[in-house]
Formats: sequence, C-alpha cells, structure tokens
Amino acid sequence: AQTVTQSQPEMSVQEAETVTLSCTYDTSENNYYLFWYKQPPSRQMILVIRQEAYKQQNATENRFSVNFQKAAKSFSLKISDSQLGDTAMYFCAFMKLYNNAGNMLTFGGGTRLMVKP
Amino acid sequence: SQTIHQWPATLVQPVGSPLSLECTVEGTSNPNLYWYRQAAGRGLQLLFYSVGIGQISSEVPQNLSASRPQDRQFILSSKKLLLSDSGFYLCAWSVRTWTGGSTDTQYFGPGTRLTVL
Repeated sequence: AQTVTQSQPEMSVQEAETVTLSCTYDTSENNYYLFWYKQPPSRQMILVIRQEAYKQQNATENRFSVNFQKAAKSFSLKISDSQLGDTAMYFCAFMKLYNNAGNMLTFGGGTRLMVKP
Repeated sequence: SQTIHQWPATLVQPVGSPLSLECTVEGTSNPNLYWYRQAAGRGLQLLFYSVGIGQISSEVPQNLSASRPQDRQFILSSKKLLLSDSGFYLCAWSVRTWTGGSTDTQYFGPGTRLTVL
C-alpha cells in the first residue's frame, strides 16, 4: 500500500514571500501521478498542480511549482509571491494507475498554510 | 463544462437514523465516481468508487454503502448512523482516459458536512 507523509502540520508566510511545503511518499510502483490539492475554509478541494512520474521536468502552474525527486520519493510544493487567498489546507496526494479500475487517490495528512499580511 | 453537485450541504442526524447523500455530475458521461470522508483536521479517506452503473468497490468496511443507479449519480447511504460517521463527505469524479499516460485527475464537489448526535 502507498503512504503519503506531510511532515509540516502548520506553516506561515508573509504576503509576497515564498514558501515550500514538503511531501514524501512510499511506493513500489514506477508509474503514478502526484497531486497537490488546496482546501480553503469553504472546504472545496481544488486541484493546484499535478506531476506525472515519468516526466523529469517539474510541473509549474503560475505561482505554483513542484520539486519532484523520484528517487528520493519527494514532492514539494513551492508557492511564490504568496497571496492572502493562498491561506488554506494543502494536501499532497498519490495516484497509482490501473487499467480497468478507478484510479484512487491516497492523501497525506495536510499542511495548514497561513499567509500573513 | 463539467460540474459536480452534492446535497445536502449540511446535515444533522441522530444516532441510529438512516442516511442518504447524493452526488450528481453534469457535462460528462461514463465518469469514475468516488466517495471520500474527511474527519476534522484530517486528510481524506476513500470510502467507495464506481467505474460504471451498478459497479461499486468498497475500500473501507463500515456501516456505509454506496449505489450508482444512473451514469452520473452516486449515492452514499446508511441504515443506522453511528457517532463515528460524523465528518465531511466529498464526492469526486474523473474521466478514464488511459491512453499512453493520460491523466485521471479527480475533481471534487462542494461536500456535505454530516453531524451525528
């Protein structure tokens, strides 16, 4: 079974600064996806960014980027130019791919990020 | 565009009462559907998933059940609620596009907050 670990329960950052959230995972699979989801106070789960394991290039989405280290099984999220609206819980998630079944997500415990003005 | 709906948004039920939560998806066909539960301050736990009408897979043994009577409808039920069933229930959908590494990103609904007293 896969496990996902987020070692930072809470973090804070000043507005406009950069913050990095950590995530490690354990798997014996070679083909999988990794995701970061954001959950603001509304509790809606919003996809932030995803990474295919077969791609060496790190994914980026505007102010969000990842540092994917496959050998180390590490998948950190960097938020640049932090904004007040980035305040939320952030979840790292792992997905093993199946051909004929639902592709299930395994979530980490989350990191609560507070952006301070 | 695709949208996913959940209702009710909030529910307070006594112990031992039945439960029915509904999830519907619009704008797509033959989606994979998922039910997750999130306990307070915790990550998400997959409860059920479905790859087609009448096809339900359970990930966690408990007093909950799921059904998929229509292609884009997913229902979470219980005959008798327990205190431990309290939590935030999220439905998600994805498109299965397993062709040479295509992604299977899951998109989440707004959730239902269930309190069992």
